[in-house]
Amino acid sequence: AQSVTQLGSHVSVSEGALVLLRCNYSSSVPPYLFWYVQYPNQGLQLLLKYTSAATLVKGINGFEAEFKKSETSFHLTKPSAHMSDAAEYFCAVSDESQAGTALIFGKGTTLSVSS
Amino acid sequence: KAGVTQTPRYLIKTRGQQVTLSCSPISGHRSVSWYQQTPGQGLQFLFEYFSETQRNKGNFPGRFSGRQFSNSRSEMNVSTLELGDSALYLCASSLWDRDGNTEAFFGQGTRLTVV
Repeated sequence: AQSVTQLGSHVSVSEGALVLLRCNYSSSVPPYLFWYVQYPNQGLQLLLKYTSAATLVKGINGFEAEFKKSETSFHLTKPSAHMSDAAEYFCAVSDESQAGTALIFGKGTTLSVSS
Repeated sequence: KAGVTQTPRYLIKTRGQQVTLSCSPISGHRSVSWYQQTPGQGLQFLFEYFSETQRNKGNFPGRFSGRQFSNSRSEMNVSTLELGDSALYLCASSLWDRDGNTEAFFGQGTRLTVV
């Protein structure tokens, strides 16, 4: 069965520091991969998506992610953290067993940014 | 362009009652998916509707049901509520093409509390 593993339920960085949120997936077919962000009491906002066009994907708010097939990883990075980046981040993979838009999510990583 | 609208935002129900949640997708989107988010289980796929037909279903009991209308608006119903149904219910709308190249846009969710 497919799965998404986010390493580290909580990541803390200082403002201006590099942000690295880890995501590993399992899929028997080339996957579609996504990163979403969720602010308190809000829905999910798409940061970026991988659909096999390019392995390095740039998203909104300065985030980017690199698809590494050999490592089955899709880690999210941002060179310099801002206080406004504090939120919960979810990695997701399209569910290959379903013929539609179903997503399988990781458990999420809470990012804290200190000044 | 209006986003995904979910109503109500907050709901308190008593165990044993039933509840109906509503979702209006982005104009032109024919796919609507529902997810349940809880601290323990994370984000879990409930079901997806496409052109008024349930296309996919997650692993939830039959107490959870849904439907989609001709204008793509969707409702989700939970009967015989249990305390464990307390969660944030998220609706996502997608513009889905044959290649499956799509992204899901989420609403702000309905926070259901069962007492």
